[in-house]
Amino acid sequence: AQKITQTQPGMFVQEKEAVTLDCTYDTSDPSYGLFWYKQPSSGEMIFLIYQGSYDQQNATEGRYSLNFQKARKSANLVISASQLGDSAMYFCAMDIGSQGNLIFGKGTKLSVKP
Amino acid sequence: GAVVSQHPSRVICKSGTSVKIECRSLDFQATTMFWYRQFPKKSLMLMATSNEGSKATYEQGVEKDKFLINHASLTLSTLTVTSAHPEDSSFYICSARQREGLRLRYNEQFFGPGTRLTVL
Repeated sequence: AQKITQTQPGMFVQEKEAVTLDCTYDTSDPSYGLFWYKQPSSGEMIFLIYQGSYDQQNATEGRYSLNFQKARKSANLVISASQLGDSAMYFCAMDIGSQGNLIFGKGTKLSVKP
Repeated sequence: GAVVSQHPSRVICKSGTSVKIECRSLDFQATTMFWYRQFPKKSLMLMATSNEGSKATYEQGVEKDKFLINHASLTLSTLTVTSAHPEDSSFYICSARQREGLRLRYNEQFFGPGTRLTVL
């Protein structure tokens, strides 16, 4: 069965430091995509980064990078130089099915301390 | 970037009434739209997938007659919560996927800002 697991319900990080949010996945499909979204208290889902299963290099988008370890089925999000505005819920997701349906992990609440 | 809007952003209604939520892709054509539900401090759960001009595909456990989905055009999908009850109170989020072939990056979805439904 396809599944996304985020084992950290909450994380704290000091401003300007880096933080890693864990995500593991399970699928038997050789072709899949992994996403990270940020959801602030306002509720909107903000796309952060994408990693395709066949991508050779780890994805990077500004301060966000994805540590993709295919053999371990992990896709951890690394946020460098944390900012107060990074405080939010972070969801890891995987696309399943031919239409691109997403399944989400339970999320990690990140709190950045000044 | 692609923009998806939802209306209303917040609705409070009495038990037994029906509520319609609209999801619009503002600057692109969306052949597929997804409806998600999110309970407080929980993850997003896919309710249904709708394709323009065809019936929606509902996830297991989601009542088709309770949550009516219509995808009448390439830019509009609606979710109607019929005879709403307090347990239907939730945050409903839609997302839209661009038409195939139009600079589509992987299975990129664009999310609406969500609709918070409170049923009294």
